[in-house]
Amino acid sequence: QSALTQPASVSGSPGQSITISCTGSSSDIGAYNYVSWYQQHPGKAPKLLIHDVSDRPSGISNRFSGSKSGNTASLTISGLQAEDEADYYCSSYTRSRTRVFGTGTKVTVL
Amino acid sequence: QVQLQESGPGLVKPSETLSLTCNVSGSSFYSGNYWAWIRQPPGRGLDWIATIYHSGTTYYNPSLKSRATISIDTPKSQFSLRLTSVTAADTAVYYCVRERYFDDERNFDYWGQGILVTVSS
Repeated sequence: QSALTQPASVSGSPGQSITISCTGSSSDIGAYNYVSWYQQHPGKAPKLLIHDVSDRPSGISNRFSGSKSGNTASLTISGLQAEDEADYYCSSYTRSRTRVFGTGTKVTVL
Repeated sequence: QVQLQESGPGLVKPSETLSLTCNVSGSSFYSGNYWAWIRQPPGRGLDWIATIYHSGTTYYNPSLKSRATISIDTPKSQFSLRLTSVTAADTAVYYCVRERYFDDERNFDYWGQGILVTVSS
């Protein structure tokens, strides 16, 4: 199975908003609303940020939001902060009952 | 509080079998909780390996299915991974993860700290 496609890097200044895209196919992102997003700081385990396209787990800042259109999902970080500098990964459930991750995006706060 | 902890050898020789165990605390093995292994080669992205339910139902990444086996020991609150015929390409941090699996919810919500496994002679 092919990894979902994400931009390698996205950057923004403090306070700005950035959006990370995650493109798949009709067999994964387009098939279900089971897209999730993870934040990973260097040397740490990934952390769940968004699940089922747009739901935030308890304790996750409302600066993080998710959406989906067709075969592409998006993560938006508003009010960018220095602590948001990390790697971000999307993930989707697939029609084959497998799970697939995105290629990952490095977010840099300028 | 849900906690997952990986254990196993940090060094495996090429062509041998990698075996890891995950100890789970603070979570039921039932009620929509599935259990997964995910790996991350150094400097690269996440790669889902396999998922198991307490019933024994399993799902595998097609690219690893012929070499990977995931198993579960519910009384011991453990699940395990075996990966045969390893090569340097299997060098990675291996995470054990709880997967939420409901009709309206699918995600990996709790992760272990990860264990680095290096394949080298």
